[in-house]
Amino acid sequence: GAGVSQSPRYKVAKRGQDVALRCDPISGHVSLFWYQQALGQGPEFLTYFQNEAQLDKSGLPSDRFFAERPEGSVSTLKIQRTQQEDSAVYLCASSRGGLGNEQYFGPGTRLTVT
Amino acid sequence: SQKIEQNSEALNIQEGKTATLTCNYTNYSPAYLQWYRQDPGRGPVFLLLIRENEKEKRKERLKVTFDTTLKQSLFHITASQPADSATYLCALTPQSNFGNEKLTFGTGTRLTIIP
Repeated sequence: GAGVSQSPRYKVAKRGQDVALRCDPISGHVSLFWYQQALGQGPEFLTYFQNEAQLDKSGLPSDRFFAERPEGSVSTLKIQRTQQEDSAVYLCASSRGGLGNEQYFGPGTRLTVT
Repeated sequence: SQKIEQNSEALNIQEGKTATLTCNYTNYSPAYLQWYRQDPGRGPVFLLLIRENEKEKRKERLKVTFDTTLKQSLFHITASQPADSATYLCALTPQSNFGNEKLTFGTGTRLTIIP
């Protein structure tokens, strides 16, 4: 079956522009996660949804970051007024839900802010 | 402060030998610990999960151990092959998460198997 897909795969934004990153999770997966990965580092948690409910957004770096999952499936991560420090790979993952379930990751969106 | 450390940034192992990667954590009580593999330009791929009450888990050439006294997990790849070359990440779910599934990752170890 299809895995997690993300679009675009690469995004170049000028500083100050808004960007929207899309995630299509595996069909039927209840939980959806966004992580940010800097070069040479492990992924860092940003936010987590169970169906359409955003249960944890403690990892979002600032109020310029906003995520939604309005119908409990596709999710969008929006970054307003991008800054150079936002340059990173943004990974989306989904799971069946429940503690201890493996997370299935998409290929990521590489965001470069110039 | 809470920390997850993986033994080294890079590890080179001769083909056919056993590769052993280390994940140490401080100020966590993990309920679960997972290992993922990440290839360049791709997202992490799940390999193995071990629970706090388990000492060891195996899957084909992979073995994970979990020592909650030492606060350490070891990840072994036996009979290593060049195709095993990748970055390996450990990730944990603390007991204190109260049902929150988010993972906290280590920085990863880049493993290279030399033919």
